[in-house]
Amino acid sequence: AQSVTQLDSHVSVSEGTPVLLRCNYSSSYSPSLFWYVQHPNKGLQLLLKYTSAATLVKGINGFEAEFKKSETSFHLTKPSAHMSDAAEYFCVVSFSGGYNKLIFGAGTRLAVHP
Amino acid sequence: DTGVSQDPRHKITKRGQNVTFRCDPISEHNRLYWYRQTLGQGPEFLTYFQNEAQLEKSRLLSDRFSAERPKGSFSTLEIQRTEQGDSAMYLCASSSTPTERYEQYFGPGTRLTVT
Repeated sequence: AQSVTQLDSHVSVSEGTPVLLRCNYSSSYSPSLFWYVQHPNKGLQLLLKYTSAATLVKGINGFEAEFKKSETSFHLTKPSAHMSDAAEYFCVVSFSGGYNKLIFGAGTRLAVHP
Repeated sequence: DTGVSQDPRHKITKRGQNVTFRCDPISEHNRLYWYRQTLGQGPEFLTYFQNEAQLEKSRLLSDRFSAERPKGSFSTLEIQRTEQGDSAMYLCASSSTPTERYEQYFGPGTRLTVT
């Protein structure tokens, strides 16, 4: 069975400091992994995706994530947080045998303080 | 705007009433998905269409729920005899195959409140 665990429900950082949002996955197949962001009253936006190419994936707005098969992790990082990064972040897994339906984690709410 | 659109954006209904939501995917996308997101949770898969064929339904989709995509373009999701537990955000997403593997584009959602 496919599943995703986001290890922190809330993360709070100061503007200009690094961001780390943690995600572990469980998949019997070679997974595709994604991070989506959801700003208040806005739709889900894809930040980045891993689909068995390079293990270090760069996304939009300076975010990146590293696929570590041995640790079954796909943590999201950003070197320097901006106030506009405050949002809900979802780690997501998908596999080709399931018509690519997405399985979402519970989400991590990122707060950025001045 | 060529993104995924959903209508209505908000719906308030009384328990026991029927409601119908519409999703218009990105025009060249042949795959369409419905998800449900309750407060404080990530979205959960409900059902999936490839063109007009409904290929998978989640156990979350009770007999009161029905989805259609009659011409392989827009889709509707109907909930009959609504219950308070149906209150949620209903999200639609679309994707194409195979060049944009697995990337789904989401609409803004329809927020349903059952009173």
